[in-house]
Amino acid sequence: NAGVTQTPKFRVLKTGQSMTLLCAQDMNHEYMYWYRQDPGMGLRLIHYSVGEGTTAKGEVPDGYNVSRLKKQNFLLGLESAAPSQTSVYFCASTGGTYEQYFGPGTRLTVT
Amino acid sequence: RKEVEQDPGPFNVPEGATVAFNCTYSNSASQSFFWYRQDCRKEPKLLMSVYSSGNEDGRFTAQLNRASQYISLLIRDSKLSDSATYLCVVNRPSGTYKYIFGTGTRLKVLA
Repeated sequence: NAGVTQTPKFRVLKTGQSMTLLCAQDMNHEYMYWYRQDPGMGLRLIHYSVGEGTTAKGEVPDGYNVSRLKKQNFLLGLESAAPSQTSVYFCASTGGTYEQYFGPGTRLTVT
Repeated sequence: RKEVEQDPGPFNVPEGATVAFNCTYSNSASQSFFWYRQDCRKEPKLLMSVYSSGNEDGRFTAQLNRASQYISLLIRDSKLSDSATYLCVVNRPSGTYKYIFGTGTRLKVLA
């Protein structure tokens, strides 16, 4: 049972480059989330989705875009990476019990 | 005031000790409460949900105090393997399936 998977696990980008982070879940969860975690700040919600074809902004959406074309996948895009986007990115999903299940994270460095 | 506040620690305790953490939340309409465990450079994992009646799972006990707006986590007979950061998580009201994370309390269990 894979649960929530994320690709890639690590990435180094130069300022201005773009990339897409992929999140996949096999638990048939409706809700999916993208968070970033920075030292001393806890997890902050970037974008989330309440079902296939829907997306919504979280607390820190600027500089990111998302898509949920299939129920099991949630993509996070960085259009023009900036050093301030250096962070650890976690994807999570939730079913009807409110408990969240997280992927292993993507460590992104923007130079 | 932060929406969810935790003492960052670290709490350094000897093996076998009992340790307790508190977490305060600001929105009285919050409905769901959780404790997550996060090991260094890993994803958060659900430790336990916190119910109004309290919740116990082996050496771990979680309590909710709605009047004072805090939740607590008690760990009895601490093990070296309990060393981790413990995250307090509160849902945003109105069933939005959005969550607020505390910055975490770091626990070190010493041999």
